[in-house]
Amino acid sequence: GQQLNQSPQSMFIQEGEDVSMNCTSSSIFNTWLWYKQDPGEGPVLLIALYKAGELTSNGRLTAQFGITRKDSFLNISASIPSDVGIYFCAGPPINAGGTSYGKLTFGQGTILTVHP
Amino acid sequence: GAVVSQHPSRVICKSGTSVKIECRSLDFQATTMFWYRQFPKQSLMLMATSNEGSKATYEQGVEKDKFLINHASLTLSTLTVTSAHPEDSSFYICSAPGRQGLKREAFFGQGTRLTVV
Repeated sequence: GQQLNQSPQSMFIQEGEDVSMNCTSSSIFNTWLWYKQDPGEGPVLLIALYKAGELTSNGRLTAQFGITRKDSFLNISASIPSDVGIYFCAGPPINAGGTSYGKLTFGQGTILTVHP
Repeated sequence: GAVVSQHPSRVICKSGTSVKIECRSLDFQATTMFWYRQFPKQSLMLMATSNEGSKATYEQGVEKDKFLINHASLTLSTLTVTSAHPEDSSFYICSAPGRQGLKREAFFGQGTRLTVV
């Protein structure tokens, strides 16, 4: 099946620094989703990307859908302590539709630690 | 975004007993829901697709007799872990699709931490 390779696996940064993480795939995705998961909670959708080349912002977060449709990145600017958590990229399999609508493949996750 | 509620958030049970986890879509109808399992510091792994009014579809390697799924209404799916063992201890999360068409998003419940002792 389709797999997403997410990097880095973990990051330790100082408050105020910018963060960048990315996801790649050997096959095409038509949608890229970025989620954040706090400890003991379910993932929360941060940004959704639907078109190749699309660049979307949500506050201090910016994400882009790669032109090849095989990659995406997420940037966080001026990090703050509450940015701590696990960030996941995700996307629906290329053939997802019908009863598979909403089915997602996840990257391995990026564990972000922000030091005050 | 759509709201998905999962209950309970934590449960501890004895080996050999069964545990039921509920997943509800609060402000929308969901003919399909998904159940994931997550081990500490790992990614989410899809277990099964819950289909309203029909049998669930299980991913390869997931025991359907162990993880019983029932999707009796358009707003409720349940996952029952039967004859639980310590190795079933994990974080279980459900999700439901958002809007139709091009918007292929999914919204997640809060998750359930299952500990089997």
